[in-house]
Amino acid sequence: LAKTTQPISMDSYEGQEVNITCSHNNIATNDYITWYQQFPSQGPRFIIQGYKTKVTNEVASLFIPADRKSSTLSLPRVSLSDTAVYYCLVGDPPIKAAGNKLTFGGGTRVLVKP
Amino acid sequence: EAGVAQSPRYKIIEKRQSVAFWCNPISGHATLYWYQQILGQGPKLLIQFQNNGVVDDSQLPKDRFSAERLKGVDSTLKIQPAKLEDSAVYLCASSSPNRGPPARNTEAFFGQGTRLTVV
Repeated sequence: LAKTTQPISMDSYEGQEVNITCSHNNIATNDYITWYQQFPSQGPRFIIQGYKTKVTNEVASLFIPADRKSSTLSLPRVSLSDTAVYYCLVGDPPIKAAGNKLTFGGGTRVLVKP
Repeated sequence: EAGVAQSPRYKIIEKRQSVAFWCNPISGHATLYWYQQILGQGPKLLIQFQNNGVVDDSQLPKDRFSAERLKGVDSTLKIQPAKLEDSAVYLCASSSPNRGPPARNTEAFFGQGTRLTVV
């Protein structure tokens, strides 16, 4: 599994855009990039996943450059409720016989201030 | 769709005692995970099941931890005897690699966890 590196913490203010970059220099050809969000006292929650270029959903956007050695999670116009830990995961798509591996690093603690 | 259910939510035990956690995954999900999350750290995979078979238990301290998933549905995780360093949140998650497009297949759904304090 490719190792990921992301900032330990980030501060922001309500209404701003938050961009969290994850480095994964050893990403393999078949690896997908997945981001999870974890609020205090809750389990992680899937946010977004991508393979290349840009993916957007109702929560966030994921930007992946052509070399795929990094990715950036973009949270538009954050609110106080976006304060959480964000994890970047890199790994194979699921295998029917085994499911997919989910290896979490330390994540990035995002604090949104009023 | 009902989520992943875990019980108990909280547990306090003395060191050297035993404890068990229970997880009911989302119906139909073949893959079940148990994670240990120590305060301030990311979740660490303890064991991964596919149906009732073990896929990965390389980080499970087998001298004190055990897990089973009878009939490929519910799962229990046991610690015997507990140590102070076992204090953590134990998270259960499930996913279904056999349904839908690949992107959604990799989504794992987590329970709220069991917070264990060993004193």
